[in-house]
Amino acid sequence: GENVEQHPSTLSVQEGDSAVIKCTYSDSASNYFPWYKQELGKGPQLIIDIRSNVGEKKDQRIAVTLNKTAKHFSLHITETQPEDSAVYFCAATTGIGTGANNLFFGTGTRLTVIP
Amino acid sequence: DTAVSQTPKYLVTQMGNDKSIKCEQNLGHDTMYWYKQDSKKFLKIMFSYNNKELIINETVPNRFSPKSPDKAHLNLHINSLELGDSAVYFCASSPRRVNEKLFFGSGTQLSVL
Repeated sequence: GENVEQHPSTLSVQEGDSAVIKCTYSDSASNYFPWYKQELGKGPQLIIDIRSNVGEKKDQRIAVTLNKTAKHFSLHITETQPEDSAVYFCAATTGIGTGANNLFFGTGTRLTVIP
Repeated sequence: DTAVSQTPKYLVTQMGNDKSIKCEQNLGHDTMYWYKQDSKKFLKIMFSYNNKELIINETVPNRFSPKSPDKAHLNLHINSLELGDSAVYFCASSPRRVNEKLFFGSGTQLSVL
């Protein structure tokens, strides 16, 4: 099955700085890559997703880039704010729409934004 | 008003007991899931149902049995609880295609003593 690795496991940035979280995946057939944010005591929440036919996607301060050749994708958060502090998970799957394969999650990155 | 609600939020029980976790979504989604998050925060799929039919059934002990009475509900029953079952269990649902744009509940913290 798919193997998703995520780095770093912890990340501290000053408020206003940028944060970058990177993930690699093993299955070249993976075609869907979502990012989830999990705040303390809550369930993960989808913040952005990208399909394999797109190289980059932006939504306000959040962007995701995908390099299919290298099999890695990254989350970029600009102008970080204290409320961005959370655990972030990347995920990948070949099974979008079919359930033929699972959604495999990375191990998470705990982001701390220091005011 | 909660989109995906699961009960109870906390569950403390003795080894060997049987317990259930209930999940309901009011989003009109077709697909529902159960995920397990261990103490290291690792998220792993357990089951997925699409319109009440099981479509994903990971390598989970058969002590775990999901039941979907209708597409808005997916309950999880666990028999003969073991210490290793202690974790946070998340219910989720998705609107259109399987594995796309999951909405998660707030989790059930299960502690087996």
